[in-house]
Amino acid sequence: DAGVIQSPRHEVTEMGQEVTLRCKPISGHNSLFWYRQTMMRGLELLIYFNNNVPIDDSGMPEDRFSAKMPNASFSTLKIQPSEPRDSAVYFCASTQGGRAGVGPTNEQFFGPGTRLTVL
Amino acid sequence: SQQGEEDPQALSIQEGENATMNCSYKTSINNLQWYRQNSGRGLVHLILIRSNEREKHSGRLRVTLDTSKKSSSLLITASRAADTASYFCPQDNYGQNFVFGPGTRLSVLP
Repeated sequence: DAGVIQSPRHEVTEMGQEVTLRCKPISGHNSLFWYRQTMMRGLELLIYFNNNVPIDDSGMPEDRFSAKMPNASFSTLKIQPSEPRDSAVYFCASTQGGRAGVGPTNEQFFGPGTRLTVL
Repeated sequence: SQQGEEDPQALSIQEGENATMNCSYKTSINNLQWYRQNSGRGLVHLILIRSNEREKHSGRLRVTLDTSKKSSSLLITASRAADTASYFCPQDNYGQNFVFGPGTRLSVLP
């Protein structure tokens, strides 16, 4: 298995531009998570999906951020318009797990991340 | 906040020494997991200990769990330079997702 795949690995853009990050979870996993990591704030959960449905997007910083999961093998995180403070490493992770109360949180498999720099 | 807290925030040891880091959590758990993040990489799952277990081993890793104190410890024996990384014990948010703390930054010096 190739693991969680993210693209691009690096993205440099100018303020105001639209940025789209992509993630392919591990086949068979039914939960997908988007995280953002910065030196100041550490690793933050932005949004997660279960069976392609967004379950909790309370971590999405503002309306400029949106995420979709059109099918079980693909998800996108979009920032429009981008700002310098969005510069961070964005991780996607997947797991085989159910919703709250169904069972223990299972091991999450992380992708290599996308390093975003907004100038 | 259900954020787990790792302690110490930073730890430097010599190669070959043992490294111990601790984790405290706030809510009841089904299991507790430890993750490692090497610089510039994604997180990697190290070990999972269930709430009814007190100790677990995996290679050079030893994890203990004390549910009465809501704490866990991770021991890395005979450390190597490759163990230099940040270590996390995310808080299990009611089986729904993880809340990550700041982690412990371990430096293993040659």
